[in-house]
Amino acid sequence: QKEVEQNSGPLSVPEGAIASLNCTYSDRGSQSFFWYRQYSGKSPELIMSIYSNGDKEDGRFTAQLNKASQYVSLLIRDSQPSDSATYLCAVRGGGSYIPTFGRGTSLIVHP
Amino acid sequence: DTAVSQTPKYLVTQMGNDKSIKCEQNLGHDTMYWYKQDSKKFLKIMFSYNNKELIINETVPNRFSPKSPDKAHLNLHINSLELGDSAVYFCASSQDIGTVNEKLFFGSGTQLSVL
Repeated sequence: QKEVEQNSGPLSVPEGAIASLNCTYSDRGSQSFFWYRQYSGKSPELIMSIYSNGDKEDGRFTAQLNKASQYVSLLIRDSQPSDSATYLCAVRGGGSYIPTFGRGTSLIVHP
Repeated sequence: DTAVSQTPKYLVTQMGNDKSIKCEQNLGHDTMYWYKQDSKKFLKIMFSYNNKELIINETVPNRFSPKSPDKAHLNLHINSLELGDSAVYFCASSQDIGTVNEKLFFGSGTQLSVL
């Protein structure tokens, strides 16, 4: 069974710092990797997706993928209090096309 | 217009009751899902439904059953509710289950509380 692991946190960073969120996965055949942000009481929303090894940047967000190490990360530069949320890593492909989610990492950005 | 809508937003009921949660998407997507999110934020797949093919997570009790009258709707029926069923249930959709880079669009969730 496909597993996706994340540190539940909370990860606390000061405003303006870089927040680093990590995720590992068990299925070597996984092909697509997603980061969803979920504010308290709200539904998850996609913020980044990555499909090939390396870095992908979108504004303040950078996703990093290393398939050999089965590791995907999300960097948030210049963190803002509005970034405080739970970040969910999701993995797709390999044995199943149904996205499998990690338990999420709670991020707190304090002023 | 809400892309994926689910009702009700809150559902409070007694143990042993039967209840339903409705989900509709207006995105023209072919695949719909039901996820359960527990108190620790773990999103666990329950079902996916694509072109009349149902994929069931084998850990889901058979008290839970999805019903899809058409590809825009995937309702969730729960029989004989138990305390452990209390959670937030999210409906989601994607264009096509066969395309691995398809993102999920989530509904706003249904907070189910079983007393």
